[in-house]
Amino acid sequence: QKEVEQNSGPLSVPEGAIVSLNCTYSNSAFQYFMWYRQYSRKGPELLMYTYSSGNKEDGRFTAQLNKASQYVSLLIRDSQPSDSATYLCAVQYFDSWGKLQFGAGTQVVVTP
Amino acid sequence: DAGVIQSPRHEVTEMGQEVTLRCKPISGHDYLFWYRQTMMRGLELLIYFNNNVPIDDSGMPEDRFSAKMPNASFSTLKIQPSEPRDSAVYFCASSPDGSQVPQHFGDGTRLSIL
Repeated sequence: QKEVEQNSGPLSVPEGAIVSLNCTYSNSAFQYFMWYRQYSRKGPELLMYTYSSGNKEDGRFTAQLNKASQYVSLLIRDSQPSDSATYLCAVQYFDSWGKLQFGAGTQVVVTP
Repeated sequence: DAGVIQSPRHEVTEMGQEVTLRCKPISGHDYLFWYRQTMMRGLELLIYFNNNVPIDDSGMPEDRFSAKMPNASFSTLKIQPSEPRDSAVYFCASSPDGSQVPQHFGDGTRLSIL
């Protein structure tokens, strides 16, 4: 079993819809949780990161962390065609800074 | 500001040849990371450096892989001899010293070993 699991998709939604992405992890020692966005033939770019249970908002993006249930989710409101990309969940141990564990990524397609 | 710069962007070579990938981190970033991305295994950390010193190379798949960082503005990842299963996209990333904000990635080198 992988330590970080994501649905591979693709997830296709119409423009303006809410996109909900989920990531589960198996090791409670993980402390930092990140969402990266990766466009085709580009490197991942950091969208958001969090370390405390609850919601964290940044514009149209909300990261939700539930440590008790060991999952982190990403919501994208009012989705745009420019949001079409692969979204990668990443987790990190508190005492192993720099050693990120990535999920396989979920491909999102937003259709106009 | 210039981001992480990787070269070449694409490399196609025959099995058995030596391959050298290059990376220039963001100026002032003291941490440098090498990743490999494949469809089967996703994004995997190979090795990372702090202040030019390798800290953890446990992700390096085998002795055919080596990485160096001779100075703060340059790193190489070398594969010798290369094999078809090394075909992947290799990313370099950098991060500021002491920062918990994760890494800034380059656009990768797409490597194909025939």
